Amino acid sequence: EVQLVESGGGLVQPGGSLRLSCAASGFTFSSYWMHWVRQAPGKGLVWVSRINSDGSSTSYADSVKGRFTISRDNAKNTLYLQMNSLRAEDTAVYYCARGATGLDVWGQGTTVTVSS
Amino acid sequence: DIQMTQSPSSLSASVGDRVTITCQASQDISNYLNWYQQKPGKAPKLLIYDASNLETGVPSRFSGSGSGTDFTFTISSLQPEDIATYYCQQYDNLFGGGTKVEIK
Repeated sequence: EVQLVESGGGLVQPGGSLRLSCAASGFTFSSYWMHWVRQAPGKGLVWVSRINSDGSSTSYADSVKGRFTISRDNAKNTLYLQMNSLRAEDTAVYYCARGATGLDVWGQGTTVTVSS
Repeated sequence: DIQMTQSPSSLSASVGDRVTITCQASQDISNYLNWYQQKPGKAPKLLIYDASNLETGVPSRFSGSGSGTDFTFTISSLQPEDIATYYCQQYDNLFGGGTKVEIK
């Protein structure tokens, strides 16, 4: 079964850091671009970041550029999102998703809450 | 920067009705437009990719059209299980604001 499972979410103080992980299974992880998408409570979907299949190219939304870093370990079939200098407005459910154009496989999401 | 304007933000329709949602890009994006369905508490699901291609397993009552800057998503006959929020997405990044579809 093709599956993505996120982990690493939690409560963090403003200015703090968190690393999210996304474990992939059931497909050849190293062949796919991967993405992070977030959704604040009661709000719409917001694309956060993407990484190409071998990790050599990344892209970020302006709102997280310079604070978040996407990476992947193809040997471990795992995608990461390192989040630094967190702000209250980063509070959201974070989804990892697979795809080069359309995002055809999504994880269940992990919740990040930034609050003092 | 490209902006994606989706409308309406919400709609109410009867079972069996034809439902149409539009998405407008601020500049030409060719056919690089996807549509997703998200039910409450669930992850989004890809329905349409490259503006008009139906994702495998998606019912044929869902369809998409358009190119350039103007795109349309249609549910030909609304079913109770279609109650959800629908999002357009430019290529693999920017999302529209979403359209919440409810049953009248």
